Amino acid sequence: GESVGLHLPTLSVQEGDNSIINCAYSNSASDYFIWYKQESGKGPQFIIDIRSNMDKRQGQRVTVLLNKTVKHLSLQIAATQPGDSAVYFCAEADRGSTLGRLYFGRGTQLTVWP
Amino acid sequence: EPEVTQTPSHQVTQMGQEVILRCVPISNHLYFYWYRQILGQKVEFLVSFYNNEISEKSEIFDDQFSVERPDGSNFTLKIRSTKLEDSAMYFCASKLAVTYEQYFGPGTRLTVT
Repeated sequence: GESVGLHLPTLSVQEGDNSIINCAYSNSASDYFIWYKQESGKGPQFIIDIRSNMDKRQGQRVTVLLNKTVKHLSLQIAATQPGDSAVYFCAEADRGSTLGRLYFGRGTQLTVWP
Repeated sequence: EPEVTQTPSHQVTQMGQEVILRCVPISNHLYFYWYRQILGQKVEFLVSFYNNEISEKSEIFDDQFSVERPDGSNFTLKIRSTKLEDSAMYFCASKLAVTYEQYFGPGTRLTVT
């Protein structure tokens, strides 16, 4: 299947706390996963990606974890800041797509309280 | 930093009218995409384009839709006869040949009345 979905539609955290946003996928052929951030009125902005041959990848304040056994992806944001408030989407591309067509999940609204 | 740009930011049209949404991808990118997002829903793939040809299209991209790269910089999406259900944000994206990462534009909000 092509579905990519998120476990929670909303997440509220206090500034300085760590955030974890989860994503489930069902397509076993997916070999590439991306997290995008979408602020109100803007297009999706790339945060971090991971290939299926990896379990973990770290960026600046963000970490993506991939569990292929249970088809689960998570985004961890360390020391969450008010500027992190946005909708976060996971997206997947499968190796059968010539140009890497992306399938998006529904998104999680992250709200950071001061 | 190079960006994907889109015009107009908001387009209002009447049902049955034709609309053309415009995009300028990042200059050295070779692969181009259109996605749409109905309010409150997930981003959905419409079409991918490479070497002046459609590479892949979704079931949403029916005969009412077409894409074109009329010159070396623009990439357009045309909807021939708009329907109410075409109301959505339309995002253009582009990428380099050797990466998966797609860069998205800010979107055009299409409202069909």
